[in-house]
Amino acid sequence: QSVLTQPPSVSAAPGQKVTISCSGSSSNIGNNYVSWYQQLPGTAPKLLIYENNKRPSGIPDRFSGSKSGTSATLGITGLQTGDEADYYCGTWDSSLSAEVFGTGTKVTVL
Amino acid sequence: EVQLVQSGAEVKKPGESLRISCKGSGYSFTSYWISWVRQMPGKGLEWMGRIDPSDSYTNYSPSFQGHVTISADKSISTAYLQWSSLKASDTAMYYCARQPSGDYWGQGTLVTVSS
Repeated sequence: QSVLTQPPSVSAAPGQKVTISCSGSSSNIGNNYVSWYQQLPGTAPKLLIYENNKRPSGIPDRFSGSKSGTSATLGITGLQTGDEADYYCGTWDSSLSAEVFGTGTKVTVL
Repeated sequence: EVQLVQSGAEVKKPGESLRISCKGSGYSFTSYWISWVRQMPGKGLEWMGRIDPSDSYTNYSPSFQGHVTISADKSISTAYLQWSSLKASDTAMYYCARQPSGDYWGQGTLVTVSS
């Protein structure tokens, strides 16, 4: 049972924008960095955002991250069919002394 | 080029033991922790635990403590995940990932446990 809550699914038309929320608590998001991962069907997760809002080399600026209090948000602009995937947030939980992931969000491009 | 290459798919019977591996290359293996992540069929990601290859210090999720063992051999830049007695519920894809940022992941090892 995950301690980070995400919406099960979001959808939008090509070219539009979607946002994915990740809700946690003071023991995880509230006091630790958040990462975001993209998992395309049948592949390993890929890092999209680290330290709340930083993009690794090669990740387009269509992907953005933010954090406020005990919640974090991933934004995807200029939605493309290739963005159809599952997206997960992740952070350290200081109470559990464990990394925790969100419940995952499936992005569908209409 | 940084790579984490995992061992191949396994099919085991309940009660059997198993060790899967994750070999790092292209970076200083002892400079980054390695985490193991489980993904059961059709489900989300679950963090199992991590190891510091420089001294083999480990840290387990409460959900997996006592059920698996994480180890590493820094001389061959390889981390391991092992079970002493598999159950059908261990059927899943297992990934290793470089920490702390999860910037590189292995390709995954599918473990199937069935009688």
